[in-house]
Amino acid sequence: SQKIEQNSEALNIQEGKTATLTCNYTNYSPAYLQWYRQDPGRGPVFLLLIRENEKEKRKERLKVTFDTTLKQSLFHITASQPADSATYLCALYNFNKFYFGSGTKLNVKP
Amino acid sequence: GAVVSQHPSWVICKSGTSVKIECRSLDFQATTMFWYRQFPKQSLMLMATSNEGSKATYEQGVEKDKFLINHASLTLSTLTVTSAHPEDSSFYICSAEKRWGAGTEAFFGQGTRLTVV
Repeated sequence: SQKIEQNSEALNIQEGKTATLTCNYTNYSPAYLQWYRQDPGRGPVFLLLIRENEKEKRKERLKVTFDTTLKQSLFHITASQPADSATYLCALYNFNKFYFGSGTKLNVKP
Repeated sequence: GAVVSQHPSWVICKSGTSVKIECRSLDFQATTMFWYRQFPKQSLMLMATSNEGSKATYEQGVEKDKFLINHASLTLSTLTVTSAHPEDSSFYICSAEKRWGAGTEAFFGQGTRLTVV
């Protein structure tokens, strides 16, 4: 089955800096990869999707890269704000299922 | 984006009783819904795939007789935790699958915090 690894340690950064989160996967390369945001006690919220033939995707302050050779996706938040503090999950869709990483908690300090 | 409503958001029940959790897609039809379980600081663990009009597909290690799933319509799936025990206490989340041109997107409910006492 698909294994997805995200840095389990919290990422602490200063407001205004760029946050970079990593998602590595094993086995099959998915047709696309997604990033979600999850706040405590809430369900995940979809942020971005990137397809296997796309190297980079942007949405406002968010940027996602996808390297199928390295089997890795990077998620960037530029000009980070305290409101960006949350847990970010990456997810792969294979064989009609979503596989989620354990998430990385981001703390943006004012 | 699409809206998925999950109810209740939290429930406390006595050991041995059953609890039903509802998951509704409010503005789109979902032939496929997923049920997840999430422990603190851990990933979402897929329990089962719920298909409208057919039996759910359970992941390995998930007891289908304990976690009953019904997907009777294109907008509603229910998860019933039967004969609940304290170890069933967890955060349960549903998602509904929406397919569009570029891919498939999962829209999540707000989750249900189940506490069995």
